Amino acid sequence: NAGVTQTPKFQVLKTGQSMTLQCAQDMNHNSMYWYRQDPGMGLRLIYYSASEGTTDKGEVPNGYNVSRLNKREFSLRLESAAPSQTSVYFCASIASWQSGYTFGSGTRLTVV
Amino acid sequence: SQQGEEDPQALSIQEGENATMNCSYKTSINNLQWYRQNSGRGLVHLILIRSNEREKHSGRLRVTLDTSKKSSSLLITASRAADTASYFCATGSLTGANSKLTFGKGITLSVRP
Repeated sequence: NAGVTQTPKFQVLKTGQSMTLQCAQDMNHNSMYWYRQDPGMGLRLIYYSASEGTTDKGEVPNGYNVSRLNKREFSLRLESAAPSQTSVYFCASIASWQSGYTFGSGTRLTVV
Repeated sequence: SQQGEEDPQALSIQEGENATMNCSYKTSINNLQWYRQNSGRGLVHLILIRSNEREKHSGRLRVTLDTSKKSSSLLITASRAADTASYFCATGSLTGANSKLTFGKGITLSVRP
């Protein structure tokens, strides 16, 4: 099925552990994004990649790193997880700046 | 920081009624988009309106944009129980080659059968 695939769907981490959230799209989209969604806060942009080989910080980048591995894949890494990073993480992609975003189904992360 | 602010925060209507949701924003935009999110799922793109457009339709959806008032509204006509979801307004900005979307906090719509 065409779209954005995120793995894993659920994850529980202990404070200080690291992990990488994976995202892949098969629509040949240029731009990819990572958002986090917290109750009552809407979605906030963490990092984005306008094209293969480029990445930029969004609104809440602290504590995260990203890698645009190729045109299809955009990963988000938590080097040392903190309870404040408990959230639902969404990856999205777009074909062009005047098109709607296609979102993945999300990764629900809990840091204890 | 949130660019768009939706109003009301929650809306409860009877099936068959129309639902109107509003969004206000603060800075200039290239486009404005509306998304739907069902409980526990990802966001689904509903409709996009460009900054030089005033009104757009898609099925039972009608969106308006007033750039002078920095506001938009989403109308869902003849609502159905399946329309129960959270709805998000998102403003699109373009800086060079970088396009970014900033989301509001969302509106919870409940449609009673």
